[in-house]
Amino acid sequence: EDQVTQSPEALRLQEGESSSLNCSYTVSGLRGLFWYRQDPGKGPEFLFTLYSAGEEKEKERLKATLTKKESFLHITAPKPEDSATYLCAVEGNTPLVFGKGTRLSVIA
Amino acid sequence: ETGVTQTPRHLVMGMTNKKSLKCEQHLGHNAMYWYKQSAKKPLELMFVYNFKEQTENNSVPSRFSPECPNSSHLFLHLHTLQPEDSALYLCASSQDHQAWYEQYFGPGTRLTVT
Repeated sequence: EDQVTQSPEALRLQEGESSSLNCSYTVSGLRGLFWYRQDPGKGPEFLFTLYSAGEEKEKERLKATLTKKESFLHITAPKPEDSATYLCAVEGNTPLVFGKGTRLSVIA
Repeated sequence: ETGVTQTPRHLVMGMTNKKSLKCEQHLGHNAMYWYKQSAKKPLELMFVYNFKEQTENNSVPSRFSPECPNSSHLFLHLHTLQPEDSALYLCASSQDHQAWYEQYFGPGTRLTVT
């Protein structure tokens, strides 16, 4: 059974304090790993897709990386507007499986 | 209206009621999805429609009944729900059901079953 585990569950950072969120996965035949951002009261917003180990994607202060067992979402010099829940999902031989998310709070 | 819209945004219903959730996408997509998001649980895929045909039913109880009259509209008919069905119900769309990742989500309907 495909599984996704995200850690930490919650993370509190000072503005400018860089950190990383982790997404560990077990999946049969990984077809893709996806990162989403979800703000309170809104649906998830697509951020990145990663297909193979070693791949990296960047968008503003966010950088996503992928290994054979996990993915990291690195946040460089975060700002308060980066506060959100970040969701990881994998596509294998079964429909998309999501993790529980990491709730990020960035304090000014 | 742009993107994916959902109505109502909030719904409170008794266990014997019948209600429907509506989703509309203005993106010209061909695939639509229903998800359930409960507190402290991962997002759960419920149903997938591709070109109006249901391609996925993720073992969802029959008290949830989807309907997709065309590629732009998706409904979720609810009847005899249980309190544990209280959750945020999210609709999403994508170009087709192969493009799982490029899903655009609506804001959701917050459902409370009393």
